[in-house]
Amino acid sequence: QKEVEQNSGPLSVPEGAIASLNCTYSDRVSQSFFWYRQYSGKSPELIMSIYSNGDKEDGRFTAQLNKASQYVSLLIRDSQPSDSATYLCAVVSYGGSQGNLIFGKGTKLSVKP
Amino acid sequence: DVKVTQSSRYLVKRTGEKVFLECVQDMDHENMFWYRQDPGLGLRLIYFSYDVKMKEKGDIPEGYSVSREKKERFSLILESASTNQTSMYLCASSLPTAGTETQYFGPGTRLLVL
Repeated sequence: QKEVEQNSGPLSVPEGAIASLNCTYSDRVSQSFFWYRQYSGKSPELIMSIYSNGDKEDGRFTAQLNKASQYVSLLIRDSQPSDSATYLCAVVSYGGSQGNLIFGKGTKLSVKP
Repeated sequence: DVKVTQSSRYLVKRTGEKVFLECVQDMDHENMFWYRQDPGLGLRLIYFSYDVKMKEKGDIPEGYSVSREKKERFSLILESASTNQTSMYLCASSLPTAGTETQYFGPGTRLLVL
């Protein structure tokens, strides 16, 4: 069974701090990785995708990928109360001819003013 | 921008009713997905489709069926609704090519079965 594991949280950080969200995955052949943000009662929205080892930055968000360790993380710099949400890690799982996404259960982030 | 729409935001049905949830995407995506999301259980894949008339079972297909008669439309059917199908239902679509697997979600349908 291919799995994506996340700490469920809640992760609480003060406003302005760096929030660090972590994810591990079991499928060694996965090549594509995604972070989604989901506000309470809303649907997931894509924040970042990452395909290569290393860091990828987009504004206050940095995704980090280490395929050897099967580990992907999301850093949120200068955290704002509006960043309070559940963050879902997703990994492409290749079975058959096409890839589906396997989602972690999410980490709930709370940014306190 | 990709737009995925779902027919209802909130739905209340009675046990035993047949329920139709519709999803439409406007980006010519080949792949479409139906998930349900429950507290503590995360997103669980019910059914998916890679092409018109094509469907594949996901992790929890029991009690559900799907229909894809047109590329842009993917319907989820609850043949006889039960209380344990009370949930948030999310539709998503994506392209099929490696490196473009990003799934775009609709707003969700919150279904209550009484």
